[in-house]
Amino acid sequence: GAVVSQHPSWVICKSGTSVKIECRSLDFQATTMFWYRQFPKQSLMLMATSNEGSKATYEQGVEKDKFLINHASLTLSTLTVTSAHPEDSSFYICSARAGDQPQHFGDGTRLSIL
Amino acid sequence: QKEVEQDPGPLSVPEGAIVSLNCTYSNSAFQYFMWYRQYSRKGPELLMYTYSSGNKEDGRFTAQVDKSSKYISLFIRDSQPSDSATYLCAPREGAQKLVFGQGTRLTINP
Repeated sequence: GAVVSQHPSWVICKSGTSVKIECRSLDFQATTMFWYRQFPKQSLMLMATSNEGSKATYEQGVEKDKFLINHASLTLSTLTVTSAHPEDSSFYICSARAGDQPQHFGDGTRLSIL
Repeated sequence: QKEVEQDPGPLSVPEGAIVSLNCTYSNSAFQYFMWYRQYSRKGPELLMYTYSSGNKEDGRFTAQVDKSSKYISLFIRDSQPSDSATYLCAPREGAQKLVFGQGTRLTINP
């Protein structure tokens, strides 16, 4: 089946630093990639959608200058949390889709800001 | 009213039971219907994928879509403790984004 790899799985960093999370589709070309945030015992909240080579489309209420998304190739997207603060601590999950096929998800990144 | 309604549970059943998970939705333009399984601290895993109305079976899992009543179901036969997870229904309109239900937390007791 389609595999999406997300790295790192867990990161702890100090307040004020920037953190980059990578998302790769390993065995298919992802025309569209998505980034989600999930709080404990809640469903996934879509942050942004990106198409390869285009600027990301952010959901209402998501700060585009805080959460920088790059989708430079058909197999790689990155999310950079800039100047992270404790309130940015969360579980971030990427997913990828080829055309109109179903989305496949990475295993998530647990981000803890001290 | 949410676009997709799903009972969050928790739902607890004995091993071997048949489990029925359900969602209702309001957007008649939904065409694709997905079920995902999510274990704690992991990303969602695609279980079933159905286009339009009808049934689809894969091993112990059966997905049903009734577009006339806007009702989505997932049945798990011969449930196992390893099926304990959160199950998310997620319909989609065309190439649009997935719309997730709240997720149902399921526990299968040995």
